[in-house]
Parts: sequence; structure tokens; C-alpha cells
Amino acid sequence: GAGVSQSPSNKVTEKGKDVELRCDPISGHTALYWYRQSLGQGLEFLIYFQGNSAPDKSGLPSDRFSAERTGGSVSTLTIQRTQQEDSAVYLCASSRPGQDEQYFGPGTRLTVT
Amino acid sequence: SQQGEEDPQALSIQEGENATMNCSYKTSINNLQWYRQNSGRGLVHLILIRSNEREKHSGRLRVTLDTSKKSSSLLITASRAADTASYFCTTQYNFNKFYFGSGTKLNVKP
Repeated sequence: GAGVSQSPSNKVTEKGKDVELRCDPISGHTALYWYRQSLGQGLEFLIYFQGNSAPDKSGLPSDRFSAERTGGSVSTLTIQRTQQEDSAVYLCASSRPGQDEQYFGPGTRLTVT
Repeated sequence: SQQGEEDPQALSIQEGENATMNCSYKTSINNLQWYRQNSGRGLVHLILIRSNEREKHSGRLRVTLDTSKKSSSLLITASRAADTASYFCTTQYNFNKFYFGSGTKLNVKP
């Protein structure tokens, strides 16, 4: 079956511009997660959705970051006024109800020039 | 930091040998998971061990958990070149918040 998909796969943007990253979770997966991975590093937890609700937004690095999820499915992560330190791979994952195993998408590589 | 941290940072072995990597964490956990990441397949879930379990097996993988020492180990037996990847542990606590370590880079030489 179809896995988690993310778009775009690569995004190059100029410093100061806004970007939107999209995640399509596996159908029926109620939980959705966003992570950020810098080159050669581990994953930094950003935010978690249960359905359309994000109970804890404290993982978002700054108020330039926001995320939403509509219809219990697609999620978008928006970064406003991008900075060079935002350059990273942004990973999305989803999981089945009651399950902790996460299925990851291929990621969006963001480069801020 | 509440992150799980893997040790060693890098490991190089010959095909057929066993590979052991460790993970330490700092707070109480609900469960601990191991994931593998390589350039071909991205991040893939390997195994989950709950806080009330001490050992779990899956194929060539064996995971142990010692909650008194706040540590876990992942053993890969009879390694193959295809096992070359980065291995991450992740701990869950505070309900659906996950923390990943910086990973162990395993290189299996044919």
C-alpha cells in the first residue's frame, strides 16, 4: 500500500521567504509527527497531531514555525521568514491508532540560501 | 537533555560478525524503539520494547532493556553488508513526544 508521502522532495529558498512543506500520512493513521534532521544528526521532534489537534507545540523551534492538519489527513508545516539555520531535512511520520510504531516519509530537504 | 543517546557513534565490522550498539536515556519511559536509516529506504522501524519487558527478538535482532540503568542494547547477529546504516533509539514519554539520539553509524564490510 501507499506509504507516507512528502512534498516537495527538495526545496531551495532565499532567506526571508516563507515555505510550506506537505505531508500525506498513510490512510487511517490518526497520529502524525513532524521532525527535523540536520546533516549527520539525530531527529529533532517538532510537533505531534492526534487527528487535527496538536496538544503540544513546545517542540517548534520558534514562532516562525507553524503546522496544521485538516480532515485528519494532510498536514502542512509552514516556516515564515526562513533563516539559514532552518536548512535541514524535514521528516513526517504517521502511526496507527493505539500503536507507537511510526512510518516515516522520505523527507523534504530544505536549503535556505 | 532528555534524549536517548547511542553508543558508539560509529562501528565498523566484517560481514558475518555481530554488531552491538547501546542507548542510554535520562527519564522514565513508556517504551523504547530502534529505527534504521539508510539512504535507500529512509527511516524504518525495527523493534519496540516496552518498559515492562527485558528482552525482545526479531529475526537477527535482539534488544534488551534495563530500566534500572536506563539503557538498552541492540544486537545484530551475523551482519550483512545490507545492514550498513545509521541506527537510532527513540524513547517515548509525556505521551506521544519522542526523542531520538544522534545514532550509531554501522558499516559492515563485505
